Amino acid sequence: DTAVSQTPKYLVTQMGNDKSIKCEQNLGHDTMYWYKQDSKKFLKIMFSYNNKELIINETVPNRFSPKSPDKAHLNLHINSLELGDSAVYFCASSQEGGAGGSYEQYFGPGTRLTVT
Amino acid sequence: GQSLEQPSEVTAVEGAIVQINCTYQTSGFYGLSWYQQHDGGAPTFLSYNALDGLEETGRFSSFLSRSDSYGYLLLQELQMKDSASYFCAVIGSGAGSYQLTFGKGTKLSVIP
Repeated sequence: DTAVSQTPKYLVTQMGNDKSIKCEQNLGHDTMYWYKQDSKKFLKIMFSYNNKELIINETVPNRFSPKSPDKAHLNLHINSLELGDSAVYFCASSQEGGAGGSYEQYFGPGTRLTVT
Repeated sequence: GQSLEQPSEVTAVEGAIVQINCTYQTSGFYGLSWYQQHDGGAPTFLSYNALDGLEETGRFSSFLSRSDSYGYLLLQELQMKDSASYFCAVIGSGAGSYQLTFGKGTKLSVIP
């Protein structure tokens, strides 16, 4: 059973297009996140959602918008894609305070986005 | 805000012990975590330290000194499969809740 799943795993698209990445978690967690990992492997948080409310919104372009239809899903929509958006995007989830207070986050397999 | 420093690369011999250090600056510190990421894979949780001292989980141990804003991950009896990137991550206060901020990762290469 996959705990955190993302689709698609690979996404190749042209500049200017609009695309979405889907994420689902079956762990019953309260909070979900989106991270961007660039070519230098730097992991940076983009958004987090707790009970369908945005609680962290880092300084990302407003072309990126998270959408959470329910507690188990957090999708990422990207408008007007640019070359610099090429990266691996990870979805993650955690229980508030983490398991036993460890703040452990469970990551999905990642979506490798390539913008040409 | 939060910032973390860790070495970019470390090489060690199979069967040996390696220590990966992490120093941090943060406000509203909750704890320090470590994650492992193999090439092409997702980060996976290794350990969490909220209090000073050493936490041991099998071959891996993690240490925290809050007064020094310093921690390390210790890997013993290195195996080839331990070749991966290791990220320290500070759990600090953020808007509305806690926030996880990752270091830039240490690429560990285990050689025969």
